[in-house]
Amino acid sequence: GENVEQHPSTLSVQEGDSAVIKCTYSDSASNYFPWYKQELGKRPQLIIDIRSNVGEKKDQRIAVTLNKTAKHFSLHITETQPEDSAVYFCAASKASLTGANSKLTFGKGITLSVRP
Amino acid sequence: DTEVTQTPKHLVMGMTNKKSLKCEQHMGHRAMYWYKQKAKKPPELMFVYSYEKLSINESVPSRFSPECPNSSLLNLHLHALQPEDSALYLCASSQDTGGGYEQYFGPGTRLTVT
Repeated sequence: GENVEQHPSTLSVQEGDSAVIKCTYSDSASNYFPWYKQELGKRPQLIIDIRSNVGEKKDQRIAVTLNKTAKHFSLHITETQPEDSAVYFCAASKASLTGANSKLTFGKGITLSVRP
Repeated sequence: DTEVTQTPKHLVMGMTNKKSLKCEQHMGHRAMYWYKQKAKKPPELMFVYSYEKLSINESVPSRFSPECPNSSLLNLHLHALQPEDSALYLCASSQDTGGGYEQYFGPGTRLTVT
C-alpha cells in the first residue's frame, strides 16, 4: 500500500518568513495530493491540493509543488502569519476513473509554529 | 451548505455502556467516512460508505458498528469500548469515493472511555 512520509515533525519560523514542508510517497500510481491544516481543537481543513497532471499550484500565500519523478510534493507558505500556526498533514490517493474506492493515506503531520 | 455536523461534541462513557455518534451532511455527497484521531497523530480511517453501502472496513474491532440510514446520515454505534478507544472521532464526506475528491471533515466527537 501507499506510504507517505513527512519530515520534520516540527517547524518554527519567524513571522513574515517562508515555510516549506515536504512529503514523499511510495506508490507511483498515486495522483491526488491534498494538504490539510488542523488548528488546535478543530477539524482538518483542506487548504490546497494538486493532481499529478500539474507540477505546481498556487493560491495566494500558499503553493504546492509536485515532483513525480522523485515522488515528493511540498507545501510552500510565504509571508507567514501567527494564524498559520497549526498541524499540517499531507496525503496521497489514487483517483480512479472507474469510481473504485480510494483511500487517503496521510503523513504523520508537522506542527508549524510562527513566532510573532 | 458545505458543512459536516457531528453530535455529540463530547462523550464520556463507561466500558459497559452503549452509545452512538451521529454525523450529517447536506451536500449531496455519496461517500461518507469515519476516522479515529489520537492527539498529534493523523486521522486513521475506520470505515467508508459509498452510496449508503459499507465499502471499506479497515479491520475495525466489532465493538464499533457503523450504520448509514440514508445518504445524509452516518452513525457509529459503540459498545463495550476500552480506554484505549478514547480519541477524537471524525466524520467526513466527499462527492464520491473514486479518489481525487476533497474530503470535508466534521468537527469531531471527543470520546473518553472510563
